[in-house]
Amino acid sequence: GEDVEQSLFLSVREGDSSVINCTYTDSSSTYLYWYKQEPGAGLQLLTYIFSNMDMKQDQRLTVLLNKKDKHLSLRIADTQTGDSAIYFCAEKVRFGAGTRLTVKP
Amino acid sequence: DTGVSQDPRHKITKRGQNVTFRCDPISEHNRLYWYRQTLGQGPEFLTYFQNEAQLEKSRLLSDRFSAERPKGSFSTLEIQRTEQGDSAMYLCASSLQGGENYGYTFGSGTRLTVV
Repeated sequence: GEDVEQSLFLSVREGDSSVINCTYTDSSSTYLYWYKQEPGAGLQLLTYIFSNMDMKQDQRLTVLLNKKDKHLSLRIADTQTGDSAIYFCAEKVRFGAGTRLTVKP
Repeated sequence: DTGVSQDPRHKITKRGQNVTFRCDPISEHNRLYWYRQTLGQGPEFLTYFQNEAQLEKSRLLSDRFSAERPKGSFSTLEIQRTEQGDSAMYLCASSLQGGENYGYTFGSGTRLTVV
């Protein structure tokens, strides 16, 4: 069946880059998404990429899409303590389990 | 518009009771989704509506769960004969067909505790 998978934890030092990876199975997805969930808060759309793109950059965020391998990644440059949250990869209606990013000062 | 509203925020119920949750989506959004999220997991898709039509329902959803969106605006999710395993955060989200680049707007959720 269709599934979205992500690694569960990532820890980085403040100022470093963070890379969160995701694999998905449904190749018909037109858009792929990254959502952010901060402690005690709801899910918010962080960024998205259209399926005919390989890369999308939005300030400190870079999304890379490898359609052949069905691999999506989110890179956060100059990671700050405020970036500590759970990041969910999503395609169509399916979400991954989330990657908990911890940023150490 | 105040975003996606869910009511109640919290619900504690005894096992075997029925519960009903309400979701009011963003008024311009014609698509509405229900998800369930447990601790340490991502949102698990339950069902979605386009206007008043229920277009997809997860095969994981038992017959005890039913959702309606009678007028294509607000939606209700009912769980009959609740079990302890139903304890979770129930999330509602809405989106606009043709606005897929905006993703979903999520509500704050209804936390269900079955005791």
